[in-house]
Amino acid sequence: EAQVTQNPRYLITVTGKKLTVTCSQNMNHEYMSWYRQDPGLGLRQIYYSMNVEVTDKGDVPEGYKVSRKEKRNFPLILESPSPNQTSLYFCASSYKGPSSYEQYFGPGTRLTVT
Amino acid sequence: AQSVTQPDIHITVSEGASLELRCNYSYGATPYLFWYVQSPGQGLQLLLKYFSGDTLVQGIKGFEAEFKRSQSSFNLRKPSVHWSDAAEYFCAVGAGGSYIPTFGRGTSLIVHP
Repeated sequence: EAQVTQNPRYLITVTGKKLTVTCSQNMNHEYMSWYRQDPGLGLRQIYYSMNVEVTDKGDVPEGYKVSRKEKRNFPLILESPSPNQTSLYFCASSYKGPSSYEQYFGPGTRLTVT
Repeated sequence: AQSVTQPDIHITVSEGASLELRCNYSYGATPYLFWYVQSPGQGLQLLLKYFSGDTLVQGIKGFEAEFKRSQSSFNLRKPSVHWSDAAEYFCAVGAGGSYIPTFGRGTSLIVHP
């Protein structure tokens, strides 16, 4: 089944404790992205990647890191989480080119930072 | 850069009533247009998309949307809403060669029995 998977689905952590949210897709997509969703603000892009070893900042990159060492994986790293990073996070992937605007989303990771 | 506006934060309809969710975009040319649905506790699922051609597009779950260039709009419609349609709906726009879409802030649909 074609899908984007994220782990964990739910995470409660404390301020300053490094964490990684994994994302993997099995559709051989070139593009991958991370979004955060907050009430009233919709979806905001954190980082995106157009290829292996190619990443770029989205609209709200502060406090986050990403890496793309393999085509299928795109982990999101919070080196020192803070309460304002409490949010619902989505990973997405897409094909290269004009159809890349059509995103395939993972199920989401709800993160709470206390 | 393109932008997208969903003017309604919440919409409440009765089950069986018709539905129209509004989406307006700002871009100089015709963009790629999308509607996604997010059911409670779920990820986003593509309802329909418009790239070119017929301006009335059909999607899944009985939804349709009409692209109106003159109004820079891509409104989502459904003739008869079911309780299971209660969800968050996002309009998205792709344009400008960045290959990364811009999302609206979403419209929350509440369905009364």
